[in-house]
Amino acid sequence: DAGVIQSPRHEVTEMGQEVTLRCKPISGHNSLFWYRQTMMRGLELLIYFNNNVPIDDSGMPEDRFSAKMPNASFSTLKIQPSEPRDSAVYFCASTPPSGHDNEQFFGPGTRLTVL
Amino acid sequence: GNSVTQMEGPVTLSEEAFLTINCTYTATGYPSLFWYVQYPGEGLQLLLKATKADDKGSNKGFEATYRKETTSFHLEKGSVQVSDSAVYFCAQGGSGNTPLVFGKGTRLSVIA
Repeated sequence: DAGVIQSPRHEVTEMGQEVTLRCKPISGHNSLFWYRQTMMRGLELLIYFNNNVPIDDSGMPEDRFSAKMPNASFSTLKIQPSEPRDSAVYFCASTPPSGHDNEQFFGPGTRLTVL
Repeated sequence: GNSVTQMEGPVTLSEEAFLTINCTYTATGYPSLFWYVQYPGEGLQLLLKATKADDKGSNKGFEATYRKETTSFHLEKGSVQVSDSAVYFCAQGGSGNTPLVFGKGTRLSVIA
Protein backbone atom coordinates (compact mmCIF):
# COMPACT_ATOMS: atom_id res chain seq x y z
CA ASP A 1 0.00 0.00 0.00
CA ALA A 2 1.60 3.25 -1.16
CA GLY A 3 -0.07 5.47 1.39
CA VAL A 4 -1.06 9.06 0.73
CA ILE A 5 1.27 10.63 -1.82
CA GLN A 6 2.06 14.33 -1.87
CA SER A 7 4.15 16.33 -4.29
CA PRO A 8 6.35 18.19 -4.28
CA ARG A 9 7.94 17.42 -0.90
CA HIS A 10 9.60 20.82 -0.83
CA GLU A 11 8.75 23.99 -2.66
CA VAL A 12 10.58 27.30 -2.57
CA THR A 13 9.04 30.17 -4.46
CA GLU A 14 8.98 33.93 -4.53
CA MET A 15 6.19 36.12 -3.31
CA GLY A 16 3.51 36.59 -5.94
CA GLN A 17 4.08 33.30 -7.69
CA GLU A 18 1.43 30.63 -8.07
CA VAL A 19 1.96 27.45 -6.09
CA THR A 20 0.18 24.13 -6.68
CA LEU A 21 0.37 21.29 -4.20
CA ARG A 22 -0.75 17.83 -5.18
CA CYS A 23 -2.19 14.87 -3.33
CA LYS A 24 -3.08 11.33 -4.24
CA PRO A 25 -5.20 9.65 -1.54
CA ILE A 26 -5.11 5.97 -0.71
CA SER A 27 -7.07 3.95 -3.25
CA GLY A 28 -10.61 3.29 -2.02
CA HIS A 29 -10.66 6.18 0.42
CA ASN A 30 -13.52 8.58 -0.20
CA SER A 31 -12.66 11.54 2.02
CA LEU A 32 -9.71 13.87 1.63
CA PHE A 33 -8.47 16.59 3.96
CA TRP A 34 -5.99 19.43 3.51
CA TYR A 35 -4.18 20.76 6.59
CA ARG A 36 -1.61 23.46 7.21
CA GLN A 37 0.92 23.27 10.04
CA THR A 38 2.96 26.16 11.41
CA MET A 39 4.79 26.71 14.66
CA MET A 40 2.53 29.61 15.55
CA ARG A 41 -0.86 28.16 14.68
CA GLY A 42 -0.28 24.43 14.92
CA LEU A 43 -2.33 22.08 12.74
CA GLU A 44 -5.22 23.75 10.91
CA LEU A 45 -7.86 22.09 8.74
CA LEU A 46 -8.21 24.04 5.50
CA ILE A 47 -10.82 22.08 3.54
CA TYR A 48 -12.18 18.59 3.14
CA PHE A 49 -13.94 16.61 0.45
CA ASN A 50 -16.32 13.66 0.59
CA ASN A 51 -16.69 11.70 -2.65
CA ASN A 52 -14.84 14.49 -4.50
CA VAL A 53 -17.27 17.16 -3.30
CA PRO A 54 -16.01 20.01 -1.10
CA ILE A 55 -17.91 19.85 2.19
CA ASP A 56 -16.32 22.53 4.36
CA ASP A 57 -13.85 25.16 3.19
CA SER A 58 -14.26 27.48 6.15
CA GLY A 59 -10.63 26.93 7.10
CA MET A 60 -9.29 28.31 3.83
CA PRO A 61 -7.54 31.50 4.89
CA GLU A 62 -8.61 33.71 2.01
CA ASP A 63 -9.49 33.83 -1.66
CA ARG A 64 -5.89 33.30 -2.67
CA PHE A 65 -6.37 29.66 -1.66
CA SER A 66 -8.37 27.21 -3.74
CA ALA A 67 -8.68 23.43 -3.77
CA LYS A 68 -10.06 20.98 -6.26
CA MET A 69 -10.70 17.27 -6.42
CA PRO A 70 -11.48 16.39 -10.03
CA ASN A 71 -11.58 12.64 -9.34
CA ALA A 72 -11.23 10.15 -6.51
CA SER A 73 -7.49 9.80 -6.93
CA PHE A 74 -6.26 13.37 -7.15
CA SER A 75 -6.56 16.71 -5.41
CA THR A 76 -4.77 20.04 -5.69
CA LEU A 77 -4.34 22.98 -3.36
CA LYS A 78 -3.44 26.18 -5.15
CA ILE A 79 -2.18 29.48 -3.75
CA GLN A 80 -2.26 32.45 -6.09
CA PRO A 81 -0.56 34.79 -5.45
CA SER A 82 1.62 33.34 -2.71
CA GLU A 83 2.84 35.42 0.24
CA PRO A 84 5.61 34.83 2.80
CA ARG A 85 3.02 34.17 5.52
CA ASP A 86 1.87 31.12 3.55
CA SER A 87 5.14 29.41 4.42
CA ALA A 88 4.18 26.20 6.25
CA VAL A 89 3.98 22.45 5.90
CA TYR A 90 0.84 21.38 4.06
CA PHE A 91 -0.54 17.92 4.74
CA CYS A 92 -3.07 15.88 2.88
CA ALA A 93 -4.94 13.05 4.60
CA SER A 94 -7.55 10.54 3.49
CA THR A 95 -10.14 8.38 5.21
CA PRO A 96 -11.85 5.14 4.20
CA PRO A 97 -15.63 5.03 3.76
CA SER A 98 -17.71 5.59 6.90
CA GLY A 99 -17.55 2.77 9.42
CA HIS A 100 -13.79 2.77 9.90
CA ASP A 101 -13.77 5.01 12.97
CA ASN A 102 -12.69 8.12 11.07
CA GLU A 103 -9.02 7.14 11.19
CA GLN A 104 -7.12 9.53 8.96
CA PHE A 105 -4.04 8.55 6.99
CA PHE A 106 -1.60 11.38 6.45
CA GLY A 107 0.82 12.05 3.65
CA PRO A 108 4.42 13.15 4.31
CA GLY A 109 3.60 16.80 3.69
CA THR A 110 4.85 19.56 1.40
CA ARG A 111 7.15 22.11 3.01
CA LEU A 112 6.43 25.44 1.33
CA THR A 113 8.74 28.41 1.66
CA VAL A 114 7.66 31.71 0.13
CA LEU A 115 10.49 34.24 -0.05
CA GLY B 1 -18.56 22.35 19.71
CA ASN B 2 -16.30 19.35 20.11
CA SER B 3 -12.80 20.00 21.35
CA VAL B 4 -9.66 18.28 22.56
CA THR B 5 -7.37 19.65 25.23
CA GLN B 6 -3.96 18.20 25.85
CA MET B 7 -1.18 19.24 28.15
CA GLU B 8 1.13 21.85 26.78
CA GLY B 9 4.73 21.02 26.21
CA PRO B 10 7.46 20.81 25.73
CA VAL B 11 8.01 17.80 27.91
CA THR B 12 11.61 16.78 28.53
CA LEU B 13 12.38 13.42 30.10
CA SER B 14 15.41 11.29 30.69
CA GLU B 15 15.61 7.92 28.99
CA GLU B 16 13.66 5.18 30.83
CA ALA B 17 11.46 7.70 32.63
CA PHE B 18 7.68 7.27 32.85
CA LEU B 19 5.59 9.33 30.46
CA THR B 20 2.09 10.70 30.82
CA ILE B 21 0.53 13.15 28.39
CA ASN B 22 -2.92 14.21 29.48
CA CYS B 23 -5.80 14.53 27.03
CA THR B 24 -9.44 15.40 27.67
CA TYR B 25 -12.25 15.88 25.21
CA THR B 26 -15.67 17.44 24.98
CA ALA B 27 -18.16 15.85 22.64
CA THR B 28 -21.75 14.84 22.21
CA GLY B 29 -22.01 11.10 22.10
CA TYR B 30 -19.09 8.71 22.21
CA PRO B 31 -16.43 9.54 19.68
CA SER B 32 -13.51 7.38 18.69
CA LEU B 33 -10.29 8.61 20.27
CA PHE B 34 -6.82 8.63 18.75
CA TRP B 35 -3.22 9.40 19.49
CA TYR B 36 -1.09 10.41 16.54
CA VAL B 37 2.68 10.86 16.56
CA GLN B 38 4.73 13.14 14.34
CA TYR B 39 8.45 12.45 14.12
CA PRO B 40 10.71 15.27 12.92
CA GLY B 41 10.23 16.04 9.25
CA GLU B 42 7.39 13.57 8.82
CA GLY B 43 3.61 13.53 8.65
CA LEU B 44 1.31 12.40 11.41
CA GLN B 45 0.90 8.69 11.87
CA LEU B 46 -1.54 6.81 14.00
CA LEU B 47 -0.04 5.57 17.25
CA LEU B 48 -3.11 4.00 18.85
CA LYS B 49 -6.86 4.34 19.06
CA ALA B 50 -9.92 3.32 21.07
CA THR B 51 -13.45 3.24 19.78
CA LYS B 52 -15.59 2.81 22.89
CA ALA B 53 -15.56 3.39 26.63
CA ASP B 54 -13.02 1.35 28.64
CA ASP B 55 -11.18 0.27 25.51
CA LYS B 56 -7.42 0.39 25.82
CA GLY B 57 -5.34 1.22 22.79
CA SER B 58 -1.70 0.15 22.78
CA ASN B 59 1.25 0.22 20.44
CA LYS B 60 5.06 0.38 20.75
CA GLY B 61 4.80 0.35 24.55
CA PHE B 62 2.36 3.26 24.63
CA GLU B 63 -1.09 2.84 26.12
CA ALA B 64 -4.22 4.95 26.52
CA THR B 65 -7.59 4.04 28.03
CA TYR B 66 -10.89 5.57 26.94
CA ARG B 67 -12.41 6.93 30.16
CA LYS B 68 -15.98 8.06 29.59
CA GLU B 69 -16.52 9.17 33.18
CA THR B 70 -13.62 11.62 33.05
CA THR B 71 -13.77 12.23 29.26
CA SER B 72 -10.08 11.47 29.09
CA PHE B 73 -7.62 9.51 26.98
CA HIS B 74 -4.24 9.99 28.64
CA LEU B 75 -1.18 8.61 26.89
CA GLU B 76 1.32 6.62 28.97
CA LYS B 77 4.56 4.77 28.50
CA GLY B 78 6.48 3.06 31.23
CA SER B 79 9.99 3.65 29.91
CA VAL B 80 10.66 6.19 27.16
CA GLN B 81 13.51 6.02 24.69
CA VAL B 82 15.36 8.73 22.81
CA SER B 83 13.60 7.51 19.67
CA ASP B 84 10.23 8.49 21.20
CA SER B 85 11.14 12.15 20.81
CA ALA B 86 8.32 13.55 18.68
CA VAL B 87 5.14 15.60 18.80
CA TYR B 88 2.06 13.74 20.06
CA PHE B 89 -1.47 14.72 19.07
CA CYS B 90 -4.67 13.60 20.74
CA ALA B 91 -7.76 13.58 18.52
CA GLN B 92 -11.41 12.63 18.54
CA GLY B 93 -13.52 11.44 15.63
CA GLY B 94 -17.06 12.41 14.78
CA SER B 95 -19.67 10.52 12.85
CA GLY B 96 -19.34 9.57 9.24
CA ASN B 97 -16.43 11.00 7.31
CA THR B 98 -16.12 14.21 9.28
CA PRO B 99 -12.73 15.64 10.19
CA LEU B 100 -10.97 14.60 13.34
CA VAL B 101 -10.68 17.24 16.02
CA PHE B 102 -7.05 17.52 17.08
CA GLY B 103 -5.43 18.86 20.19
CA LYS B 104 -2.57 21.32 19.80
CA GLY B 105 0.12 18.71 20.19
CA THR B 106 2.69 18.03 22.89
CA ARG B 107 6.37 17.99 22.02
CA LEU B 108 8.34 15.31 23.84
CA SER B 109 12.10 15.33 24.05
CA VAL B 110 13.88 12.35 25.57
CA ILE B 111 17.51 12.79 26.52
CA ALA B 112 20.03 10.02 27.03
